[in-house]
Amino acid sequence: SQKIEQNSEALNIQEGKTATLTCNYTNYSPAYLQWYRQDPGRGPVFLLLIRENEKEKRKERLKVTFDTTLKQSLFHITASQPADSATYLCAHIQGGKLIFGQGTELSVKP
Amino acid sequence: DTGVSQDPRHKITKRGQNVTFRCDPISEHNRLYWYRQTLGQGPEFLTYFQNEAQLEKSRLLSDRFSAERPKGSFSTLEIQRTEQGDSAMYLCASSLAQEAHGYTFGSGTRLTVV
Repeated sequence: SQKIEQNSEALNIQEGKTATLTCNYTNYSPAYLQWYRQDPGRGPVFLLLIRENEKEKRKERLKVTFDTTLKQSLFHITASQPADSATYLCAHIQGGKLIFGQGTELSVKP
Repeated sequence: DTGVSQDPRHKITKRGQNVTFRCDPISEHNRLYWYRQTLGQGPEFLTYFQNEAQLEKSRLLSDRFSAERPKGSFSTLEIQRTEQGDSAMYLCASSLAQEAHGYTFGSGTRLTVV
């Protein structure tokens, strides 16, 4: 079956470092992947979409890569700040609706 | 337009009671989605509408769950005979019909069944 998986272990990093989160998919080839940010008690907020023919997409301090050989997308936050602390979700479209990974919690310490 | 609105934000109910949640999407969005989320998990798809038509309902969804979008605008999600396992955050999202668009989510309704 089609699966999208994220590292369920929380990621703890120091302020100013680059955070890298991983999203792996198996048994299918998504046309694109989406990344969302979710704060506690709130709904997810859309950040970036990357298509399968795009190797990389950037938005301010955010960068997403899409490696169809490794079946993996990486989400990077450069010069991380405590305000970047949140859960980050990747998602793909399946049958007209988004299917989400379980999310990775990021904690940026000052 | 202030985004996607959900009401209520919190609901505590006794097991066996019925509950109904409301979602008001972004007015230009013709697709509306319901998701359920428990602690430490990503949102789990429940059902979605394009205009007033319900296009898909998750096979995991019990018959106790029903959703409507009567005029293609707001939507309601009803849970009948609630169980403790129904305790979760219920999220509504809307989007344009074209697939390569991000979803806009509401802040969710937190349901606690006691």
